[in-house]
Amino acid sequence: SQTIHQWPATLVQPVGSPLSLECTVEGTSNPNLYWYRQAAGRGLQLLFYSVGIGQISSEVPQNLSASRPQDRQFILSSKKLLLSDSGFYLCAWQTPGLVSREQFFGPGTRLTVL
Amino acid sequence: KQEVTQIPAALSVPEGENLVLNCSFTDSAIYNLQWFRQDPGKGLTSLLLIQSSQREQTSGRLNASLDKSSGRSTLYIAASQPGDSATYLCYTPLVFGKGTRLSVIA
Repeated sequence: SQTIHQWPATLVQPVGSPLSLECTVEGTSNPNLYWYRQAAGRGLQLLFYSVGIGQISSEVPQNLSASRPQDRQFILSSKKLLLSDSGFYLCAWQTPGLVSREQFFGPGTRLTVL
Repeated sequence: KQEVTQIPAALSVPEGENLVLNCSFTDSAIYNLQWFRQDPGKGLTSLLLIQSSQREQTSGRLNASLDKSSGRSTLYIAASQPGDSATYLCYTPLVFGKGTRLSVIA
């Protein structure tokens, strides 16, 4: 069966510090991968998605970036965090090839920027 | 650009009541619509997925309908229980609604 992992589960970082959040998927090959953010009082917002290694699409301009160095690894990064980057970050995977397939979500990372 | 709206934003019902959560979307050219549940501080649990060619899906006490022509979906919960208390999110590919926060009172 397929599983999706995210770490860390919680993170408290000072403004201006770097960020690296990791997401890995097991039990499937070449999944579509997604990063979402849920900020306080706001809905879930798609940040990045990837249909393959090295292929990243950005939905929202911001100081975040994403990379996919391996087939089942998706990393969200920032060189300098802003207060507005605080939120709940969710990674999701989907069977490759068809956006009509179901998405499955990881447990999330709660980021607080102070 | 797709917009997904969920009404009401919050709902409180007594245990045992049947209830309906509403979702509307502006672009009817969707591949599917998915309903999720989110417990406080937790990730998302997929409840039901309706493909664009389908009209409804059922799982236990949950029934979701889809009307693409009117841009609407509903999630029906029968015989609600306190354990159903959570935020319910409607999703069309790449766009989430803001959710309905449900409280079921024992």
